[in-house]
Amino acid sequence: KAGVTQTPRYLIKTRGQQVTLSCSPISGHRSVSWYQQTPGQGLQFLFEYFSETQRNKGNFPGRFSGRQFSNSRSEMNVSTLELGDSALYLCASSLGGSSYEQYFGPGTRLTVT
Amino acid sequence: TQLLEQSPQFLSIQEGENLTVYCNSSSVFSSLQWYRQEPGEGPVLLVTVVTGGEVKKLKRLTFQFGDARKDSSLHITAAQPGDTGLYLCAGADTGNQFYFGTGTSLTVIP
Repeated sequence: KAGVTQTPRYLIKTRGQQVTLSCSPISGHRSVSWYQQTPGQGLQFLFEYFSETQRNKGNFPGRFSGRQFSNSRSEMNVSTLELGDSALYLCASSLGGSSYEQYFGPGTRLTVT
Repeated sequence: TQLLEQSPQFLSIQEGENLTVYCNSSSVFSSLQWYRQEPGEGPVLLVTVVTGGEVKKLKRLTFQFGDARKDSSLHITAAQPGDTGLYLCAGADTGNQFYFGTGTSLTVIP
């Protein structure tokens, strides 16, 4: 079974631009969560989507948004990029429901200059 | 905010030594996971523990969930260079939201 895939793997953007990251979960998984990982803050939860609905949301500004499609693929958008948005963005999928196990993709390394 | 504190933050040991990593919180979790992450990659799930007091073994790795489901430990016996990586614990609340620990960076020197 194929794992979680994320595209692109690397991205360089300029401050003020916007960016869209994509995540394809493991086949059959209906929950997709997004995390931001930085050396200073560690892994921080952004939001979780389950069956196209946002089920949980972390403490991030409204510039960070996401959506999930009917095939469970998910996208994350960051508008008006700031230098502090430079990070590894990780997507994790799980069956959802009462499943406790998440499986992560390789991440997208975003650099904002 | 449910915080998970891991200790130690950094650990450098010789091949063959034993080590224990701790993950502590004041919050109760429905389950707790341990992951290992290598540079530039996503975390890889090692184990999930659900029941208070539960002990799980994965080859040379032993995981324990505290009786009160607030803390956990990871013990590695006879560490090998391949064990090098960032070890993360993550607790899930009843709403299935995950909270990650601060991480333990392990280096095993050949």
